[in-house]
Amino acid sequence: NAGVTQTPKFRILKIGQSMTLQCTQDMNHNYMYWYRQDPGMGLKLIYYSVGAGITDKGEVPNGYNVSRSTTEDFPLRLELAAPSQTSVYFCASTERRGNEQYFGPGTRLTVT
Amino acid sequence: AQSVAQPEDQVNVAEGNPLTVKCTYSVSGNPYLFWYVQYPNRGLQFLLKYITGDNLVKGSYGFEAEFNKSQTSFHLKKPSALVSDSALYFCAVRDILYASGGSNYKLTFGKGTLLTVNP
Repeated sequence: NAGVTQTPKFRILKIGQSMTLQCTQDMNHNYMYWYRQDPGMGLKLIYYSVGAGITDKGEVPNGYNVSRSTTEDFPLRLELAAPSQTSVYFCASTERRGNEQYFGPGTRLTVT
Repeated sequence: AQSVAQPEDQVNVAEGNPLTVKCTYSVSGNPYLFWYVQYPNRGLQFLLKYITGDNLVKGSYGFEAEFNKSQTSFHLKKPSALVSDSALYFCAVRDILYASGGSNYKLTFGKGTLLTVNP
């Protein structure tokens, strides 16, 4: 049982490039989340999903997009990368809404 | 909206001493509160949660937290700190997320407290 896995671990993008951050969980959780973590700011919710085919915006969705075609996978897409998207991105999942969430190891993204 | 505050950016304690990491909350209704730990270059790990019941909650790695309704606090504690406890600690509260398809829940996190345990 690997839990929540994320790839890549690190990435450097040039301004205007695009990329997809991958997230997979093997716990059969319906609820999945994407957060970004900036120093001294805690975690902010970008997008979330309550099951395959259902996604919705969180607090800071601008510049991002998601899809959820399977229970296991919840990729985060960055279109037209900007320096403001330099951050550490975490994916999380939970079995029941409102319960504790389980986090992946994170992706450290730098946009220059 | 629900919120939590961690009033200390940093806490330093000596190994073997008790440690406390503070968290206060602001909620309407009954709070669902959580503590997470983040080691360098790692994801967040769940430590413990309070939903209802005993005010003293026991969690992983010897940590516990005390829920105090009158002081709206949920402080994380450990009787004897270890150097390996040095990490970033986050308090979180369950919050409502209003969406086009109806309401749901999310976690709202504090800004984190960096705990350093000195040998």
